[in-house]
Amino acid sequence: QLQLQESGPGLVKPSETLSLTCTVSGDSISSSSYYWGWIRQPPGKGLEWIGSISYSGSTYYNPSLKARVTIFVDTSKNQFSLKLRSVTAADTAVYYCARSDSSWHLDYYYYMDVWGKGTTVTVS
Amino acid sequence: EIVLTQSPGTLSLSPGERATLSCRASQNIRSNFLAWYQQKPGQAPRLLIYGASIRATGIPDRFSGSGSGTDFSLTINRLEPEDFALYYCQHYGTSHLFTFGPGTKVDIK
Repeated sequence: QLQLQESGPGLVKPSETLSLTCTVSGDSISSSSYYWGWIRQPPGKGLEWIGSISYSGSTYYNPSLKARVTIFVDTSKNQFSLKLRSVTAADTAVYYCARSDSSWHLDYYYYMDVWGKGTTVTVS
Repeated sequence: EIVLTQSPGTLSLSPGERATLSCRASQNIRSNFLAWYQQKPGQAPRLLIYGASIRATGIPDRFSGSGSGTDFSLTINRLEPEDFALYYCQHYGTSHLFTFGPGTKVDIK
């Protein structure tokens, strides 16, 4: 059974870099069918997609965060990671990692079918 | 950029009733590119529906999705106690861009 687990510091100082890792178990991250992504949820607010990466390293980022975000994959460790630079209090959130599966109808489309439990990051 | 609007913000119903949640896109979208998620307090979101109307694995058939163009809906027939939660719609767009709606809370009347 596929499981995703986020890890990283729960507290980050303003202007520093937030770094999180998602460890995938139960399947290989190298499967070509999937993308692997990060989503966040500020306290009491909705969901915001941060970005996604394929096993081969193709990345896509939310335009609103693109300038500060890097997502990379380590297939040898079956992990993918997030770095968010120059954080402020507005980056305080629960951060989730998730797998994006795809289906096809006239074109491929993706949806997030497996999620990690989330990790709380506070910027202070 | 597609903007998703969900209504109502909160839906107060009793167990056994039917819930109809709306998701409106700011412009026409491909029906298949619309998904729905359920989130309970302190938990990660769970995929309910993808491709606008396809139930994800293990999702009970009281959940159904429909819609096209700009108007989509999630219907929950015969609400069970465990269905009271937050529900988000999500669009998959060009350049692999995911956009979420603001959510609808279904709570117990």
